[in-house]
Amino acid sequence: ELKVEQNPLFLSMQEGKNYTIYCNYSTTSDRLYWYRQDPGKSLESLFVLLSNGAVKQEGRLMASLDTKARLSTLHITAAVHDLSATYFCAVDSYNNNDMRFGAGTRLTVKP
Amino acid sequence: GAGVSQSPRYKVAKRGQDVALRCDPISGHVSLFWYQQALGQGPEFLTYFQNEAQLDKSGLPSDRFFAERPEGSVSTLKIQRTQQEDSAVYLCASSFGLYNTEAFFGQGTRLTVV
Repeated sequence: ELKVEQNPLFLSMQEGKNYTIYCNYSTTSDRLYWYRQDPGKSLESLFVLLSNGAVKQEGRLMASLDTKARLSTLHITAAVHDLSATYFCAVDSYNNNDMRFGAGTRLTVKP
Repeated sequence: GAGVSQSPRYKVAKRGQDVALRCDPISGHVSLFWYQQALGQGPEFLTYFQNEAQLDKSGLPSDRFFAERPEGSVSTLKIQRTQQEDSAVYLCASSFGLYNTEAFFGQGTRLTVV
């Protein structure tokens, strides 16, 4: 069974600091996703990573994928308060559209 | 519409009552997914449609849960004889096709069973 584990589950950061969220998954997967969810809101797609070594950046967020290690990272650079949210990673495969989510990382950025 | 639309946004049901949750996917999107998200948890897969075909329903927690998408667009998730453990946010997502992978989520329906 495909399992997705994120860590940390809770992260409190100071503004201006850098940090990395980790996402491990248990079996071969073709696609990895990062989503953002604000309280009471739906999920917003941030990144879709399709191949080993893929790196995507948007603003202060950068996501990477290592399929051999079955690991993705979401790096936050110079955090700002607006980044406070819950971040989920999810994986699926071309043979199975059952997208499995991690438990999420609740990020709080403090001034 | 511009995005995935779900209705109602909030539903309070008495235990034992049947409920129906609606999802309007983005026009032209072939794939449609239902997820259940408990408070403080990640979304859990329920079922997946490609057009009108329900290709995977392995995540439905019991036979009280039933989903359909008869014309390949709007989908309904029905829960019969609701129980308290059914309380959760039910999210619907759609994507253009099998290999166009970005899925767009609706706002969800928050179901509370009392």
